[in-house]
Amino acid sequence: QKEVEQDPGPLSVPEGAIVSLNCTYSNSAFQYFMWYRQYSRKGPELLMYTYSSGNKEDGRFTAQVDKSSKYISLFIRDSQPSDSATYLCAMSAVNQAGTALIFGKGTTLSVSS
Amino acid sequence: DAGITQSPRHKVTETGTPVTLRCHQTENHRYMYWYRQDPGHGLRLIHYSYGVKDTDKGEVSDGYSVSRSKTEDFLLTLESATSSQTSVYFCAIRLANSYNEQFFGPGTRLTVL
Repeated sequence: QKEVEQDPGPLSVPEGAIVSLNCTYSNSAFQYFMWYRQYSRKGPELLMYTYSSGNKEDGRFTAQVDKSSKYISLFIRDSQPSDSATYLCAMSAVNQAGTALIFGKGTTLSVSS
Repeated sequence: DAGITQSPRHKVTETGTPVTLRCHQTENHRYMYWYRQDPGHGLRLIHYSYGVKDTDKGEVSDGYSVSRSKTEDFLLTLESATSSQTSVYFCAIRLANSYNEQFFGPGTRLTVL
């Protein structure tokens, strides 16, 4: 079983839809969770980060962490064509410099106008 | 791109040749990372650095070496490139006093023929 599982999609939605992106993980020691957005042929861009469980909101984006279910989500409200990208979840167990981020393989999202 | 530049941005080389990729940052970050991104595998850590001349191995370090003689530069060397090292290479930095959020450069697309 991979440490982090993420449905690769593609996920296609109309403009204005609510998008739900998800990752599951197996390592109960993970406590730092991040979401990155990656446009084609660009570097990953940090969108959201959370520590431990709970919700965090930033504009149209909401990140949720459910540690009991080992499940994290990213919600995008009022999706726009500019949201079309690959979304990567990432997580780590400890906050140390040498701790690698463990990434999901990414979900490709397409928002049509 | 968090003040990170990578060079070259694209490179085609032949099996058995040495290749060096450069990551340059202008904001005096202590922690720097090299990842590779491959379809079906996502992003994986190759090596990281926690200061000048302080480096350590990541998950997929075989066939790679690194050097950091100045804070601003982190070099990744493929001593004898193989086709399995065809990939997109990303450099990242980590902010001090952070939740291990990492910020990525634009990437180098390497093809080994």
